[in-house]
Amino acid sequence: QSVLTQPPSVSGAPGQTVTISCTGTSANIGANFDVHWYQQVPGAAPKLLIYHNSLRPSGVPDRFSGSKSATSASLVITGLQAEDEAEYYCHSYDNGLSPVVFGGGTRLTVL
Amino acid sequence: QVQLQESGPGLVKPSETLSLTCSVSGGSMSSYYWTWIRQSPGKGLEWIGYNYHYGTTKGNPSLKSRVSVLIDTSRRQFSLRLSGVTAEDTAMYYCARGSGPVAGTHFDSWGQGIQVTVSS
Repeated sequence: QSVLTQPPSVSGAPGQTVTISCTGTSANIGANFDVHWYQQVPGAAPKLLIYHNSLRPSGVPDRFSGSKSATSASLVITGLQAEDEAEYYCHSYDNGLSPVVFGGGTRLTVL
Repeated sequence: QVQLQESGPGLVKPSETLSLTCSVSGGSMSSYYWTWIRQSPGKGLEWIGYNYHYGTTKGNPSLKSRVSVLIDTSRRQFSLRLSGVTAEDTAMYYCARGSGPVAGTHFDSWGQGIQVTVSS
């Protein structure tokens, strides 16, 4: 069971907007530690999508945005495209035994 | 543009030690958290451990001190050693670069991954 909780799956039609949530605790997101997001397309390594809650690395389209509030964070994808079909993972720092914690991943299906 | 590439055996026998190397091309090796992450078949990401350039190392407590991550800056490589492997250690292993302060580290570069199977 992952320390950060994500929905197992979300879906949307091309052009629509989807939101993926990431819920933590007072030991990680709630302690004001940053949240980062990764995209993993099938058969490939994860790729950094959002860092420090809302920043995009160069080359990441502005259709992807992130936010954080209290003990949770969200990844929003607008104008869904077929190429967005992938697994998405959130990641944060944790005050407990393991400093690096991930969410269990959310599979995005573009209908 | 930094690039990472994993190498090592794809098959390891139970109870033996898994040894992998990550070669780093481009960029500096200073001031980063050189990290190993794995992904079991059909599962999510699991942090294994990291070594910060200036000597701080840390491993996932769930792996019970079986982990060591070493850096060799002269060869521009860092390595993973995981002792006493079992079938549960079968996974895709990724090396990654962690950027930023320890409490805000994000993994901005990843290797392509190497599949390791534990079997006799």
